[in-house]
Amino acid sequence: AQSVTQLDSQVPVFEEAPVELRCNYSSSVSVYLFWYVQYPNQGLQLLLKYLSGSTLVKSINGFEAEFNKSQTSFHLRKPSVHISDTAEYFCAVSGSGGSNYKLTFGKGTLLTVNP
Amino acid sequence: DTEVTQTPKHLVMGMTNKKSLKCEQHMGHRAMYWYKQKAKKPPELMFVYSYEKLSINESVPSRFSPECPNSSLLNLHLHALQPEDSALYLCASSQDRGKGETQYFGPGTRLLVL
Repeated sequence: AQSVTQLDSQVPVFEEAPVELRCNYSSSVSVYLFWYVQYPNQGLQLLLKYLSGSTLVKSINGFEAEFNKSQTSFHLRKPSVHISDTAEYFCAVSGSGGSNYKLTFGKGTLLTVNP
Repeated sequence: DTEVTQTPKHLVMGMTNKKSLKCEQHMGHRAMYWYKQKAKKPPELMFVYSYEKLSINESVPSRFSPECPNSSLLNLHLHALQPEDSALYLCASSQDRGKGETQYFGPGTRLLVL
């Protein structure tokens, strides 16, 4: 079984400030890690994912996340946020076999960027 | 094209009605999913189809009936729903199951049961 904990349900920040959204996971097998973003009244979009290799993964819009196996974390960071980054962010994990391939989502973190 | 389309966008139905939600993808994906999402909550998996066969039913009540007519289409038939079934219903697809496959989500159908 696997689980995901997003420690912050809401993160308010000012525009151009840095932000970190925290994600910790637990799993008994090797995992794949994802960050999805959901803008208001929309479906989910993949932001970035870690499968293997380099532990630092980046998205095209300036977000990055680092897989830390020893701390079982996959925190999402952006050095300077924009108003348009306001959205719900979900961390998710899937395993490598059996029914573990199902995506297990965290409860989500609402990022609100204020002017 | 990485688009998953869902119709209708909004649906209001009574508890005695029968309605269907439709999902379509043309990415050649062989796995398709239905999720239910309540307000301010993460999506909850309902069903998984793999190669047009139902592979996972997450103990969903029988008033929800999925159907996969072909590899591009996924339907969710609704009958005798309850007000607590009101939610955003999301469809997703992936190239295959597992192995870190990215799931592509549609915009969802917002359902209100009166």
